[in-house]
Amino acid sequence: GENVEQHPSTLSVQEGDSAVIKCTYSDSASNYFPWYKQELGKRPQLIIDIRSNVGEKKDQRIAVTLNKTAKHFSLHITETQPEDSAVYFCAAIFMNRDDKIIFGKGTRLHILP
Amino acid sequence: DTAVSQTPKYLVTQMGNDKSIKCEQNLGHDTMYWYKQDSKKFLKIMFSYNNKELIINETVPNRFSPKSPDKAHLNLHINSLELGDSAVYFCASRHRGTNEKLFFGSGTQLSVL
Repeated sequence: GENVEQHPSTLSVQEGDSAVIKCTYSDSASNYFPWYKQELGKRPQLIIDIRSNVGEKKDQRIAVTLNKTAKHFSLHITETQPEDSAVYFCAAIFMNRDDKIIFGKGTRLHILP
Repeated sequence: DTAVSQTPKYLVTQMGNDKSIKCEQNLGHDTMYWYKQDSKKFLKIMFSYNNKELIINETVPNRFSPKSPDKAHLNLHINSLELGDSAVYFCASRHRGTNEKLFFGSGTQLSVL
């Protein structure tokens, strides 16, 4: 069935260090992988996305990597800052299921002072 | 100029009541969604409409009935509310044809007493 696994569920890193969140997906036909950031009491907001025809994408301190063979993709945040504290969700689009977008269970990222 | 707007933002009601949540998008998207976010922050897809047609209907109790009068609107009506329906409900939209990004509304916090 359709599934997106996300790890870890909670992550604490020292301010200035890097954070990595990993996801795996089940549908080899998936071709679009967005990452969302949700601050407390707010809506999920897209921070970066990657399509299956590229292996890596970077936007300032945020990068996403995709390994299609292994069906893995990861979010990397470098030089973390207090405002990076939030819940992060990965997602994958399931082409054989009417383009259903399934989310991972989220990672709560704490940036420690 | 909110792109995806939903009302109300908060909804407090008694068990057994019937309530509706409204959603509108002004992005010209052809596909709209309802997601439920429970207390553990899991984002679970409920329904999706493409050009006013229901294309995704997860195993949601039939007390939940979505209605899409046109491409820009997707409302959610809930009958006989139960305690377990308490959650944040997010409307979202995207343009499926071009595999565009998913945009979320600001959410409706439903509390069933």
